[in-house]
Amino acid sequence: IAGITQAPTSQILAAGRRMTLRCTQDMRHNAMYWYRQDLGLGLRLIHYSNTAGTTGKGEVPDGYSVSRANTDDFPLTLASAVPSQTSVYFCASSDSGGMATEAFFGQGTRLTVV
Amino acid sequence: GQNIDQPTEMTATEGAIVQINCTYQTSGFNGLFWYQQHAGEAPTFLSYNVLDGLEEKGRFSSFLSRSKGYSYLLLKELQMKDSASYLCAVLDSNYQLIWGAGTKLIIKP
Repeated sequence: IAGITQAPTSQILAAGRRMTLRCTQDMRHNAMYWYRQDLGLGLRLIHYSNTAGTTGKGEVPDGYSVSRANTDDFPLTLASAVPSQTSVYFCASSDSGGMATEAFFGQGTRLTVV
Repeated sequence: GQNIDQPTEMTATEGAIVQINCTYQTSGFNGLFWYQQHAGEAPTFLSYNVLDGLEEKGRFSSFLSRSKGYSYLLLKELQMKDSASYLCAVLDSNYQLIWGAGTKLIIKP
C-alpha cells in the first residue's frame, strides 16, 4: 500500500442495503476525511476524524456513519442506502487536524444506488 | 453563509497563459488551497496561500488578497495535460475546508 487506498472503486447498490466503503492510509496521518463529490457542486465533507478514537460530523452527515479504531483505517458506512447517496466518494488524509497542510486523496469510490 | 465562487469552465490554447479566479466569503480564514483534478481521478495538491501575495511554483503561480477575498491560479506555457478541473478551497475559522465547485479548464491545440 502506498498512500491512501479506497475500496471498492465502484459499486452498484440496491436501495435499502447497508454498505461500507473502506479507506486505509499508510502515511501515519492523524487526520482523515470523507467527502462526496457531485456534478456542479464542490466537495462536501461528510465526516472527519482529527485523530484515532475521535470523529466529527461534516456538512452532510445524515445517513452516514464512521469509526476510527486506529490511525490507518477510516471506514464509511451507509446504514440504509438511498438513491440520493449516488455519488463519488473520496477519502482523504492530512498530517494534522484542520488540514492546514496538504491533503492526500484516495482514488475515489463511485457508488450508484438504484 | 459560506461561499466559494469560481468560473465553471474556461478554454485556453496550448502554450498560452490562463488565470483562474476564485472569490470567497467564509467565516474566518486560515488559508486557501488550489487542487488539480483530472477527470475520473482524485484531487492533487497544487498550492497553499495564507499571506497576501504571489507564490510561484514552476509553471503554476497562486495569488492571494485577503482584504478582497480573492485568489487566482495562473498557469503558464499551457500543455495538453493541464486539461483538468481546478478546485479552490478555503480553510475557515473552524479549520474546515470549504470547497468551490471547480473550474474545468479545456486546452485546445
